[in-house]
Amino acid sequence: EDQVTQSPEALRLQEGESSSLNCSYTVSGLRGLFWYRQDPGKGPEFLFTLYSAGEEKEKERLKATLTKKESFLHITAPKPEDSATYLCAVQGTDKFYFGSGTKLNVKP
Amino acid sequence: DAGVIQSPRHEVTEMGQEVTLRCKPISGHNSLFWYRQTMMRGLELLIYFNNNVPIDDSGMPEDRFSAKMPNASFSTLKIQPSEPRDSAVYFCASSRAGPTKNIQYFGAGTRLSVL
Repeated sequence: EDQVTQSPEALRLQEGESSSLNCSYTVSGLRGLFWYRQDPGKGPEFLFTLYSAGEEKEKERLKATLTKKESFLHITAPKPEDSATYLCAVQGTDKFYFGSGTKLNVKP
Repeated sequence: DAGVIQSPRHEVTEMGQEVTLRCKPISGHNSLFWYRQTMMRGLELLIYFNNNVPIDDSGMPEDRFSAKMPNASFSTLKIQPSEPRDSAVYFCASSRAGPTKNIQYFGAGTRLSVL
């Protein structure tokens, strides 16, 4: 059965404390893996898309990586404004699946 | 670019009433998606359209839910009759073909409360 699992469910960091979020997936015919950021009361905002194992993308303090079974979203020296829920989504041959998200709280 | 526009932003209704949610996708996008988000179930795909044609509606929970896309710039999601368990945030998203295809851009959502 196709599925996407994100961990941890919630993560509390001090400002400047680097960490990683995990997205593991089982899906037939991976066409792409997507990371989104969602702020309270808003729709998900696109961050990255990765298409093949070994691919990496970076944007400011965020770096996304992809293997054949999982993706990581690395957050380097986070700031309070990085606090949000981070969603992972996977596109298989016939469907688009979202994980349940990791709620990140960065304290000053 | 105005982004995906959804209306209304908030809807409060009573059980049994008909609810219609509206979405205007980004101009030039040819795929449109309706999602429902709840604390318990996260973000669930309800239905998606490609070139105004419904492709996959397997996520539509019941016959009480229906969606239409009469043209490339407008879609509706209707719930009739509504029930309290339909309370959720409903998102519309659109995407386009090409090198960046499949990247979905989301609207701000409609928060539905059924009393």
